[in-house]
Amino acid sequence: QSVLTQPPSVSGTPGQTVTISCSGSSSNLGGNTVNWYQQLPGTAPKLLIYRSNQRPSGVPGRFSGSKSGTSASLAISGLQSEDEADYYCSAWDDSLHAVVFGGGTKLTVL
Amino acid sequence: QLQLQESGPGLVKSSETLSLTCTVSGGSISSGNYYWGWLRQTPGKGLEWIGSIYYSGSTFYNPSLRGRVTIFVDTSENQFSLKLTSVTAADTAVYYCGRPYLYGSGGLDVFYIWGQGTTVAV
Repeated sequence: QSVLTQPPSVSGTPGQTVTISCSGSSSNLGGNTVNWYQQLPGTAPKLLIYRSNQRPSGVPGRFSGSKSGTSASLAISGLQSEDEADYYCSAWDDSLHAVVFGGGTKLTVL
Repeated sequence: QLQLQESGPGLVKSSETLSLTCTVSGGSISSGNYYWGWLRQTPGKGLEWIGSIYYSGSTFYNPSLRGRVTIFVDTSENQFSLKLTSVTAADTAVYYCGRPYLYGSGGLDVFYIWGQGTTVAV
């Protein structure tokens, strides 16, 4: 019942490129940018992408983001075992007047 | 290096008030135009933004919690705090404090520096 919709899980093999989708509405992704976070077990989320396609310093270029209309996606290229984590999207929602999150996607590296 | 640390009781009785403090070290809460925030995470509802505060005291709250939540800042102690009243089992969560990557209210949704989180059970 999260405001933003993500697939519960995705998987890939080392070296592959995987994408994680995030679907919203006109009140959030339709008019605002999206942020992506990576959360390793037992740790706080880490900012990966902000303003839809910007990387904070220190985040590898293997992580990239895009947004079109009310959907966004996070792409991870050159998949590595340490990328196995939960990934969350978030955005500001103009109707709810709140920061909203997706339910999270568990990435498994096979 | 800026660090945030949450502190407070790990167990709160139902209908009572949850109180947590976030201590900022390695920098001043008054420097930069940041809105310092509180979030929580539960297995059932996932990540949820609770609210954010500017060092001057200006606040934004999640309407879903409005009426129960108060966030305030103590610049002399370099801390900001959360109070959540009338708690129920649904408020059981890991609570995080965080600082955005971007300045101003337009950047309060981009959480960059996080505390380690503190588990609160109701």
